[in-house]
Amino acid sequence: EVQLVEAGGGLVQPGGSLRLSCVASGFTFGDYWMIWVRQAPGKGLEWVANIRQDASQIHYLDSVEGRFTISRDNSKNSVYLQMNSLRAEDTAMYYCARDRDYYDGTVHYDAFDLWGQGTMVTVSS
Amino acid sequence: AIQMTQSPSSLSASVGDRVTITCRASQDIRNDLAWYQQKPGKAPKLLIYGASRLQSGIPSRFSGSGSGTHFTLTVYSLQADDSATYYCLHDYNYPRTFGQGTKVEI
Repeated sequence: EVQLVEAGGGLVQPGGSLRLSCVASGFTFGDYWMIWVRQAPGKGLEWVANIRQDASQIHYLDSVEGRFTISRDNSKNSVYLQMNSLRAEDTAMYYCARDRDYYDGTVHYDAFDLWGQGTMVTVSS
Repeated sequence: AIQMTQSPSSLSASVGDRVTITCRASQDIRNDLAWYQQKPGKAPKLLIYGASRLQSGIPSRFSGSGSGTHFTLTVYSLQADDSATYYCLHDYNYPRTFGQGTKVEI
């Protein structure tokens, strides 16, 4: 089955750390960029970070740069999000997703075509 | 960062109605826009990419249009199962940004 399964969420105190993981199955993981998106309770979606197939390119949301680190291990079909110096405003459901490249013969587009079920991160004392 | 502004923020419609959601970008993003549907407690689902290209497996009553700064998602003949929140997202540059969402109630 083609799927993504996140894990690692939980309750952490402000200033603490968590490491999220996302394990892929059913497709060739190393062929895709991967991303993390989060959603605070009752709020909209927010793109957090992405990583290229070979990890040679990484991009972050400004508010997490320097605190969060995205990484991947293609041998384990996994992408990770190391979150340090956590703040109350980082409280959210965190989703990993596959970033698929679509090519219509002239133009490339990319979109997130496969999502995990999410893992909840709560930052609170 | 590019700002994506959706309107309306919510709407109520009936089964069979045609519904249109608008997304405006703060700068020209060509056709680098996707639409997602999210139901409560579930992960988002890709509907449209490249502004107008229907994702495989998505019913043809969903249609996207627009380019540059103005985009629309239209749902023709709304079904009860279409009750959800809809988000636009640009992939023109970094950071990627979502619209604030449009909640569709039926």
